Amino acid sequence: LAKTTQPISMDSYEGQEVNITCSHNNIATNDYITWYQQFPSQGPRFIIQGYKTKVTNEVASLFIPADRKSSTLSLPRVSLSDTAVYYCLSGSARQLTFGSGTQLTVLP
Amino acid sequence: GAGVSQSPSNKVTEKGKDVELRCDPISGHTALYWYRQRLGQGLEFLIYFQGNSAPDKSGLPSDRFSAERTGESVSTLTIQRTQQEDSAVYLCASSSGGLAGRRSYNEQFFGPGTRLTVL
Repeated sequence: LAKTTQPISMDSYEGQEVNITCSHNNIATNDYITWYQQFPSQGPRFIIQGYKTKVTNEVASLFIPADRKSSTLSLPRVSLSDTAVYYCLSGSARQLTFGSGTQLTVLP
Repeated sequence: GAGVSQSPSNKVTEKGKDVELRCDPISGHTALYWYRQRLGQGLEFLIYFQGNSAPDKSGLPSDRFSAERTGESVSTLTIQRTQQEDSAVYLCASSSGGLAGRRSYNEQFFGPGTRLTVL
C-alpha cells in the first residue's frame, strides 16, 4: 500500500513562495503523484498531478525528481486564502492513502 | 454543472442505531469513493466502486459498514449499530474513471460530506 510522508504544518507570509515536500514510500512504477487542497468543512479539491519532472498549472507547480521518491508542491506568492490542508497521494485508485496532510497557515 | 451532493449534511444519532448516508455523484462519473475523516485527521479510504465491477471494500473498518451503488448513480453507505468511534465526517467523491493507462487516476470531485455524531 502506497504511503506518503509530509510535514504536519508550515507557516508562511503573504506574498511568499511556499514549497511542501512529500516522500512516497513504495511508489509503484506506474503510479502518479497527486496533490489535493482542503479547506475547513469542505471536501478536498484537486490541485495538480504529475508523473515525473515538472508540471505547472494556473495554481501551482509540481516538481518530481528522477527517482520519484518525493515530490514538491510549489505555491507562488501565497495569500491568506491559501491557508488549508494540503495532501499528497500516490497509488492506484483502489488504494488511495491521503495521510494527515500538511496544514499551511499563511500569515499577514 | 451540479457537483457531488451528499445527504444529510449533519446526522446525530444514538449509539446502537443504524444510519444511512447518501451520495449523488456527478452524472456520467463511473467511479465513486467513500472516505471517513475524523476530527483533525486525514482521509481514510473506505470503499471504491468502478462501473459494474465488484467494489473494493478493503477499507471498510468492520462488518457494521456496508455500501451499495445502483449502476453508476446514487450510493448509500450504511453503518449498523453505530458506535461513538464512528463519529466523523463521511466524504463521497466521484471521478470519470478509475485506473487508466499508467495507473493515473482521474480527478476526484468531493461532496461537502455528512457530519455524523454518535451520542
